[in-house]
Amino acid sequence: QKEVEQNSGPLSVPEGAIASLNCTYSDRGSQSFFWYRQYSGKSPELIMFIYSNGDKEDGRFTAQLNKASQYVSLLIRDSQPSDSATYLCAVSVNTDKLIFGTGTRLQVFP
Amino acid sequence: SAVISQKPSRDICQRGTSLTIQCQVDSQVTMMFWYRQQPGQSLTLIATANQGSEATYESGFVIDKFPISRPNLTFSTLTVSNMSPEDSSIYLCSVRDGNTIYFGEGSWLTVV
Repeated sequence: QKEVEQNSGPLSVPEGAIASLNCTYSDRGSQSFFWYRQYSGKSPELIMFIYSNGDKEDGRFTAQLNKASQYVSLLIRDSQPSDSATYLCAVSVNTDKLIFGTGTRLQVFP
Repeated sequence: SAVISQKPSRDICQRGTSLTIQCQVDSQVTMMFWYRQQPGQSLTLIATANQGSEATYESGFVIDKFPISRPNLTFSTLTVSNMSPEDSSIYLCSVRDGNTIYFGEGSWLTVV
């Protein structure tokens, strides 16, 4: 079993819709959870991080964490074509080392 | 957030040669990391660059192939030695700044 799993996609949503990106992880000791966005040909860009169960909102982005279910998600409201990218979920246990999922490719069409 | 500069940003290298990638941070950071992203793949941690001591390598990565230096709290280098086409990847420097982890722009290496 992979340590961090994501659906590779592509996930296609119409402009203005909510995009929901999901990630599961295997290590129950995981403490920190990160979402990065990576445009083609660019390095990963941090969108959000979350440590506690529940929701964390930042603008159009909401991260949701459920440690009991070992599940973290990212919601993008009012999706825009500029949101089209690969979204990487990363998990940290008790160090600063990040374990990445394989990423979900999001396509937002006009 | 920390500003991370990497050099070179892109290079084409001959098989069997070595290349050193530099990572400069605009502030002192305790933790610096080197990741690799092979084409179409996600990121994999190569090693943690420790200031004043040897780097800590992840499973599958060895010092002879990826020697790392960390002379101070703002700078690190990663050398990719005796390169083969399988080393064609993006190499990314990463630092922890507060509660978050940031990446440099990456060094895109193609080995021919």
